[in-house]
Amino acid sequence: GAVVSQHPSRVICKSGTSVKIECRSLDFQATTMFWYRQFPKQSLMLMATSNEGSKATYEQGVEKDKFLINHASLTLSTLTVTSAHPEDSSFYICSAPLRGQETQYFGPGTRLLVL
Amino acid sequence: GQQLNQSPQSMFIQEGEDVSMNCTSSSIFNTWLWYKQDPGEGPVLLIALYKAGELTSNGRLTAQFGITRKDSFLNISASIPSDVGIYFCAGDNFGNEKLTFGTGTRLTIIP
Repeated sequence: GAVVSQHPSRVICKSGTSVKIECRSLDFQATTMFWYRQFPKQSLMLMATSNEGSKATYEQGVEKDKFLINHASLTLSTLTVTSAHPEDSSFYICSAPLRGQETQYFGPGTRLLVL
Repeated sequence: GQQLNQSPQSMFIQEGEDVSMNCTSSSIFNTWLWYKQDPGEGPVLLIALYKAGELTSNGRLTAQFGITRKDSFLNISASIPSDVGIYFCAGDNFGNEKLTFGTGTRLTIIP
């Protein structure tokens, strides 16, 4: 199957700082990538759709100015959590669809802890 | 956002037993996907279903896409310790690639 990587795998930061998470499709190109957030013992909730060459589209209730998304190339999308607060602590997961198979492959996730 | 309802929420079984879980929705999906998530990891795709009524197997796993396109089930035969984890169904709304995830079924194997 296709491989999606994320970096870093975990990050601890102080409240008020910004954190950047990278998502890369390693062996295929992805014009679209998706960012999810998962709180403990809960399901994945879609935050936004990252579009290469255009603005990201955000799900209802997700602040676009707080969660900045940049789809820099056909293999890289970044999510920046700006002015992070403890309530932003969560597991952030990206995914990329593999054209032709109509399936999505997920990265290993990034655990963010804001102190 | 919308979620799919999965049942059961959790299962405690003995090694070797068969497992069955299902996923229901009030909306139609044209693609159903089943994923397994281990603690601290991203979901891993198990089975993809593209056609109503389709029955697909992957080793000891079998999944079916319901005729109404509003449900799907996943069966695991002869469970082994590495089957432990959380299983999620996910539906795709007409090719826009935005997945809606189920609430998850947590599988635990009792020694």
